[in-house]
Amino acid sequence: DTGVSQDPRHKITKRGQNVTFRCDPISEHNRLYWYRQTLGQGPEFLTYFQNEAQLEKSRLLSDRFSAERPKGSFSTLEIQRTEQGDSAMYLCASSLHDRGARTEAFFGQGTRLTVV
Amino acid sequence: AQKITQTQPGMFVQEKEAVTLDCTYDTSDQSYGLFWYKQPSSGEMIFLIYQGSYDEQNATEGRYSLNFQKARKSANLVISASQLGDSAMYFCAMREGMDSSYKLIFGSGTRLLVRP
Repeated sequence: DTGVSQDPRHKITKRGQNVTFRCDPISEHNRLYWYRQTLGQGPEFLTYFQNEAQLEKSRLLSDRFSAERPKGSFSTLEIQRTEQGDSAMYLCASSLHDRGARTEAFFGQGTRLTVV
Repeated sequence: AQKITQTQPGMFVQEKEAVTLDCTYDTSDQSYGLFWYKQPSSGEMIFLIYQGSYDEQNATEGRYSLNFQKARKSANLVISASQLGDSAMYFCAMREGMDSSYKLIFGSGTRLLVRP
């Protein structure tokens, strides 16, 4: 399968614990995005990488959130000291950036986080 | 600020009939792209169709077409010959051409249910 893959698909954690999610983008894609989707809403942008550089972070990304893409391939998103408000679907997307605006993003199936 | 509005929380359509899902957008940018994604219960966001702000013709992809009315800032998705597998959430999204991140701004979605 050459699509975007995310692991785990589901995660249940106790409040205050740390969690880490992984995203493997489509291999030739140089851009990687993280979005968060709460119930009944569309995805909201969190952050993105071009290769290994994190170029933008949303205000939604509090100090407890950190994302990395160490070798410009896979990415991890860590949430420290989870809160119930962190419960959401975390979606990863990748794209091949070029000068045209048509570069569509391909999404993974997401990691659904439940904080109890 | 850029914004996507989807005013139909839920829609029903009879199998084999056509359905239109509404989307309006707000942007001050002259260059932008509009996307529609489908999200089945599995969670993955599936790209359906794209319309560039400078495209003179409405985009079509198989059974999907985009009714682009630039002056009214609307980008409605038309699904022809609905199938049971079309039952899913549908999201309209926008990307501004001047924003180098190419991040997507999503609407709140429309849940489509196809009746047999």
